[in-house]
Parts: sequence; structure tokens; C-alpha cells
Amino acid sequence: GENVEQHPSTLSVQEGDSAVIKCTYSDSASNYFPWYKQELGKRPQLIIDIRSNVGEKKDQRIAVTLNKTAKHFSLHITETQPEDSAVYFCAAGGGSQGNLIFGKGTKLSVKP
Amino acid sequence: NAGVTQTPKFQVLKTGQSMTLQCAQDMNHEYMSWYRQDPGMGLRLIHYSVGAGITDQGEVPNGYNVSRSTTEDFPLRLLSAAPSQTSVYFCASSYWDSDTQYFGPGTRLTVL
Repeated sequence: GENVEQHPSTLSVQEGDSAVIKCTYSDSASNYFPWYKQELGKRPQLIIDIRSNVGEKKDQRIAVTLNKTAKHFSLHITETQPEDSAVYFCAAGGGSQGNLIFGKGTKLSVKP
Repeated sequence: NAGVTQTPKFQVLKTGQSMTLQCAQDMNHEYMSWYRQDPGMGLRLIHYSVGAGITDQGEVPNGYNVSRSTTEDFPLRLLSAAPSQTSVYFCASSYWDSDTQYFGPGTRLTVL
């Protein structure tokens, strides 16, 4: 079945710096790759997603890139702000298992 | 729209007790799922449903039962609670498996 690996597990950056979180997946049939942000005590919320027919997608300070050949995708946050501090989860879906499999999460801390 | 709702928000059980976690959505989503979230483990899929009358097991189904008699509701039953089931439980829904999943607010369960 699908397996999603996420790195790093923790990431600390200075305000204004960029942050990059990477994920790899195992099922070549997967075609949907969302990223969720979860603040402490809250539910996960979608921040950006990408489908396998696209290599890159941007939304203001957030971008996601996808390399289907290597089976990895990354989240890029530029000009980080303290409110970006949260746990970020990647996921892969639409594959042979027919459901969304999540990575273990990255705790991002942005220091003022 | 209320989105995805879950009850209760908090619950404490004794070992061996049974209970049902409720989940409902008003977005006419076909796909619904239950996840548990434990520290450092990310979101692990317990059970999911692709439509009324259809359910299937996820990654960690043991000790849990589900049913889907209507499109709106997807309850999760703990038959005989164990301390290992102490966790935060999230219900989610989407139009299909490879689409944006909307999460409920979560239920924090403690089993003593």
C-alpha cells in the first residue's frame, strides 16, 4: 500500500526566512497531493494541493512542487511569519488504495 | 453550512466501556473517513466509506466498528475501550477520495 515519508519532523526558522518541507510517496498511481496546516488544538486545514498533471502550484507565499518520476513533493513557504508556526502534514491520495495517506507531520516554529 | 460536526468534544471512558463517536456532514459528500491522531504518528486512517452502505478498513481498524446508513452520518463505535485507544479522533469528508478533505473539530478521548 501507499507509504508517505515526511521530513524534517521539526523545523525552526527566523521570521522572514524560507521553509521547505519534503515528502516522498511509494504508490506511483497516487495523483493527488494536499498539504494541511494544523494549529495547536485545532483541526487540520487544507492550505494548498497539487495534482499529478501539474509540476508546481503557487498561492501567495506558499508553493508546492511535484516530481512524479522521483515520487516526491515539497512545500515551500517564503517570508515566514510567526503565524506560520504550526504542524504541517503532507498526504497522497487517489492511488490504488483509494484513500488519503498522511505523513507524520513537521512542526514548524518561526522565531520573531 | 455547518460543515463536518463531531460529538462529543471530550470523553473519558473506563477500560471495557463502549461508546459511539458521532460524525455528520451537510455538504452531500460521498466519501467519509475516521482518523486517529497520536503524538508523532500523524493522522492514521481507521475506517472509511465511499457512500451509504459501503465501508472499508483503513490502516488501524482493530477495536473500531463503523456503519454508513445515510450520506450525512458516519458514526465510529468503540466496542470495548482500551487505554491504547486514548487519542484525538477526527472525522473528515470529501466528494471523493482524491479531493479536498474537510475535517471535523475532533474528539479527545481518554481511556483509563
